[in-house]
Amino acid sequence: AQSVTQLGSHVSVSEGALVLLRCNYSSSVPPYLFWYVQYPNQGLQLLLKYTSAATLVKGINGFEAEFKKSETSFHLTKPSAHMSDAAEYFCAVRRGSTLGRLYFGRGTQLTVWP
Amino acid sequence: ETGVTQTPRHLVMGMTNKKSLKCEQHLGHNAMYWYKQSAKKPLELMFVYSLEERVENNSVPSRFSPECPNSSHLFLHLHTLQPEDSALYLCASSQDRARGLGEVGELFFGEGSRLTVL
Repeated sequence: AQSVTQLGSHVSVSEGALVLLRCNYSSSVPPYLFWYVQYPNQGLQLLLKYTSAATLVKGINGFEAEFKKSETSFHLTKPSAHMSDAAEYFCAVRRGSTLGRLYFGRGTQLTVWP
Repeated sequence: ETGVTQTPRHLVMGMTNKKSLKCEQHLGHNAMYWYKQSAKKPLELMFVYSLEERVENNSVPSRFSPECPNSSHLFLHLHTLQPEDSALYLCASSQDRARGLGEVGELFFGEGSRLTVL
């Protein structure tokens, strides 16, 4: 079975501070992993994805994530938070053998203080 | 034209009403999905259509009835809903067959239809 756990339903940072959103996965096979962002009243937008090509993945808006097999983690980071980063972030793992079926974590709400 | 378009964006209905949510994708994908997003719950996969055939139905009550007339359109027909069905319903699409290395079938989402059942 495949699943993801996002540690911390809420994270607050000051503008300019480091953003760290945690995601741990369980998977019986090498996983494909994704981070999505959801702004208020909008759908989910892909931030980045891990496809086994490289362990450090760079995404849009200055975000990146590092795949660590030994820790079964795929944490999302950004060196310097911006007010526009305030949103909900979802980690997801590909579920099953068919490409599109994703299993999502519960989400982490990021608040950025001025 | 945005990739995945959902209408209506907001819907309020009574428990005895019949309404439908519509989704259209302009990405040339061959798989479409309905997800339910409720407060304080993980995203729930409701239905999956691949090549216009329903391939997954995750124990969704029969008051939700999906329809996929072609690979670009997906509907969710609603009938005699309950207040607990109030949620954001998200449509997504993907390419459900690998076209080559690196194809990971990521989902592309619409903006959602916010449903309130009174």
